[in-house]
Amino acid sequence: QQKVQQSPESLIVPEGAMTSLNCTFSDSASQYFAWYRQHSGKAPKALMSIFSNGEKEEGRFTIHLNKASLHFSLHIRDSQPSDSALYLCAVGGTGNYKYVFGAGTRLKVIA
Amino acid sequence: EAAVTQSPRSKVAVTGGKVTLSCHQTNNHDYMYWYRQDTGHGLRLIHYSYVADSTEKGDIPDGYKASRPSQENFSLILELASLSQTAVYFCASSWDNSYEQYFGPGTRLTVL
Repeated sequence: QQKVQQSPESLIVPEGAMTSLNCTFSDSASQYFAWYRQHSGKAPKALMSIFSNGEKEEGRFTIHLNKASLHFSLHIRDSQPSDSALYLCAVGGTGNYKYVFGAGTRLKVIA
Repeated sequence: EAAVTQSPRSKVAVTGGKVTLSCHQTNNHDYMYWYRQDTGHGLRLIHYSYVADSTEKGDIPDGYKASRPSQENFSLILELASLSQTAVYFCASSWDNSYEQYFGPGTRLTVL
């Protein structure tokens, strides 16, 4: 059964810092890797996703995937107080493959 | 923007009572999901469905039933609500398991 684990559980960073969040998974057949962001009291919303090894950048956010090491990460450049939220990683696949979320990393960016 | 709505947005139920949470999507998505989130924690999958009139068990199905009468609608039923089922419940939809999920606003359920 797929296991998805996130680290760290929580993180406090100063405004302007680089933030790195990690996610490991157990099933090498996984095909879809995503990060969601959930602000307090709101619904989760997809932030970025990747299908193949490598990295993908969108604005201040970069996602890295290394399937061989069963690991992907999210990097936030120039972190802002508005980035403070619960970050959830997710792993999925095609057909009836079960979509699994990690337990989350709570990020706080202080001004 | 994809749209998923949930009703009610909040509910107080009594222990042993029946609760039905409803979800409606206008995205034309095949997959729909029910998750629960306990305060400060991640999402746990209760039930999901990839076609009308069929549902699948997720990771924590005990105490919950699901119904998918049409592509657009997906319900979660608590036949005998218990204190431990107090949580926020999110419905989501997606094209399939390799695409992003679109979440509804959530239902805050309190069982007393």
